[in-house]
Amino acid sequence: QKEVEQDPGPLSVPEGAIVSLNCTYSNSAFQYFMWYRQYSRKGPELLMYTYSSGNKEDGRFTAQVDKSSKYISLFIRDSQPSDSATYLCAMDRDYKLSFGAGTTVTVRA
Amino acid sequence: DTAVSQTPKYLVTQMGNDKSIKCEQNLGHDTMYWYKQDSKKFLKIMFSYNNKELIINETVPNRFSPKSPDKAHLNLHINSLELGDSAVYFCASSQREGRNEQFFGPGTRLTVL
Repeated sequence: QKEVEQDPGPLSVPEGAIVSLNCTYSNSAFQYFMWYRQYSRKGPELLMYTYSSGNKEDGRFTAQVDKSSKYISLFIRDSQPSDSATYLCAMDRDYKLSFGAGTTVTVRA
Repeated sequence: DTAVSQTPKYLVTQMGNDKSIKCEQNLGHDTMYWYKQDSKKFLKIMFSYNNKELIINETVPNRFSPKSPDKAHLNLHINSLELGDSAVYFCASSQREGRNEQFFGPGTRLTVL
């Protein structure tokens, strides 16, 4: 079993829809939780960073962490075609990131 | 003013050859990483250096040898390339103290024929 599980999708939504992404993890030692966005043939870029259970909002993006359930989510409101990318969850333990497999999202205009 | 840069961007080579990938960061970070991303987009850490000292060394064949001449550079040398080495290799950097927010380079797409 992988330490971090993420459904690879693909996920296709119409423009303006809410995109919901999630990851589960097995190692309770993970301390920090991140979401990266990766456009095709580019490097991952950090979108959201959280370190405690609860919600964190940044513009159209909301990250949720539930440590008791070992579950994290990313919501994208009012999705745009420019949000089409692969979204990777990542978790930090002792300065080492473990990534999910990534979910490929397409927002249709 | 690219933050993390890698060269080359593409590398096509024959099995058995030796090749190197170079990485440089101008963010003033003290920690650098090499990741491998396979065809299924799974990103896995290979190595990490902090202030030129190896701090993470995952289960990677010893054909892979990282070298950090200084804090801003981390190179990856691969001996006797195999078909299974074909992947995208990403360099990243971060400041060890604090949030470990890692910044990634654009990747080097290695194809072994």
